[in-house]
Amino acid sequence: QKEVEQNSGPLSVPEGAIASLNCTYSDRGSQSFFWYRQYSGKSPELIMSIYSNGDKEDGRFTAQLNKASQYVSLLIRDSQPSDSATYLCAVISSGGSYIPTFGRGTSLIVHP
Amino acid sequence: NAGVTQTPKFQVLKTGQSMTLQCAQDMNHNSMYWYRQDPGMGLRLIYYSASEGTTDKGEVPNGYNVSRLNKREFSLRLESAAPSQTSVYFCASSESFKAFFGQGTRLTVV
Repeated sequence: QKEVEQNSGPLSVPEGAIASLNCTYSDRGSQSFFWYRQYSGKSPELIMSIYSNGDKEDGRFTAQLNKASQYVSLLIRDSQPSDSATYLCAVISSGGSYIPTFGRGTSLIVHP
Repeated sequence: NAGVTQTPKFQVLKTGQSMTLQCAQDMNHNSMYWYRQDPGMGLRLIYYSASEGTTDKGEVPNGYNVSRLNKREFSLRLESAAPSQTSVYFCASSESFKAFFGQGTRLTVV
């Protein structure tokens, strides 16, 4: 069973702070990694993708990947109350099926 | 741009009833998926279709069947609903491994 693990939270941060969300995965051969944001009662939406080791920045979001340690993280700078949501990590494992496997998600609360 | 459209949005079934959840995408994606989401359990894959004419079981297929009617449409059928199938169901399609989700169907089985 290929697993994707996330701390369920909630992670509570003050407005303007950096929120750090982490994800570990079990399949060392995984190649593609994604972060989805899901507001309460809504469907997940893709916010970041990362494929190689290092950092990838998009606005206030930075995805970080370390394949040797098998973890991927999402940093949200200058957190806003509108960032309050559940963040899902998804991994495309090796083996040819290319199906996204999702973690259980981390609930983020940004308080004013 | 409609993206991925699911119907219905809400449904209440009695135990033993059957129903079909409909999903259609207009993005010309080959791959389509059905997930269920339960509190604390994340998204669990029920069935997927890598291309028109093919379907495969995911992590939790028991009690469900699927049909990939054409490239656009991928339906999920509950033949005899059980309370354990109370959940939120999401259909998704993907391109380059990036998944795009429908708005979800909230199903309650009583």
